[in-house]
Amino acid sequence: KQEVTQIPAALSVPEGENLVLNCSFTDSAIYNLQWFRQDPGKGLTSLLLIQSSQREQTSGRLNASLDKSSGRSTLYIAASQPGDSATYLCAVLDNDYKLSFGAGTTVTVRA
Amino acid sequence: SQTIHQWPATLVQPVGSPLSLECTVEGTSNPNLYWYRQAAGRGLQLLFYSVGIGQISSEVPQNLSASRPQDRQFILSSKKLLLSDSGFYLCAWSVMESTDTQYFGPGTRLTVL
Repeated sequence: KQEVTQIPAALSVPEGENLVLNCSFTDSAIYNLQWFRQDPGKGLTSLLLIQSSQREQTSGRLNASLDKSSGRSTLYIAASQPGDSATYLCAVLDNDYKLSFGAGTTVTVRA
Repeated sequence: SQTIHQWPATLVQPVGSPLSLECTVEGTSNPNLYWYRQAAGRGLQLLFYSVGIGQISSEVPQNLSASRPQDRQFILSSKKLLLSDSGFYLCAWSVMESTDTQYFGPGTRLTVL
């Protein structure tokens, strides 16, 4: 059974600092890995999707890397802003098209 | 464009009462549909998924059931709620057998008292 772990569980930084969020998974037989953002009491918004054959994806200030063989992904958010405050969830798509999620990292960016 | 709706947005129910949560998708045909539950401080847990009308797969044995009476409608039900059923319920859809992302609805906050 796929297990997804996210470290740290919570993170508080001053505005302008770079953020580093970590995700690890136990079974490397995946189709892709995704990072989602969740605001309090809301649904999930997809941020980045990395296919298993890719090493990284970038969107604006966000960059996500994938090392499938070691079961690790890292989400970098450059020059953080208060609007980046949210919970970030990592999820892997297994070969049976099911998503397994980590518990998330709750980020607070202080103005 | 595709949209996904869930209702109600919030629900407070007594223990032992029935439950019906509804999810509908617009703008796509024959989607895969999913029900997830998110408990406080925990990741999303896949409860049910469906690849077609009347086709339901259960991931976790529990007090809940799901049905798909129409192509773009997915319903989560219970005959008798338990305290442990409290949580945030999310519906999602994806293109069938695609490695593309899943698209999530706004969620339903269920509190069982």
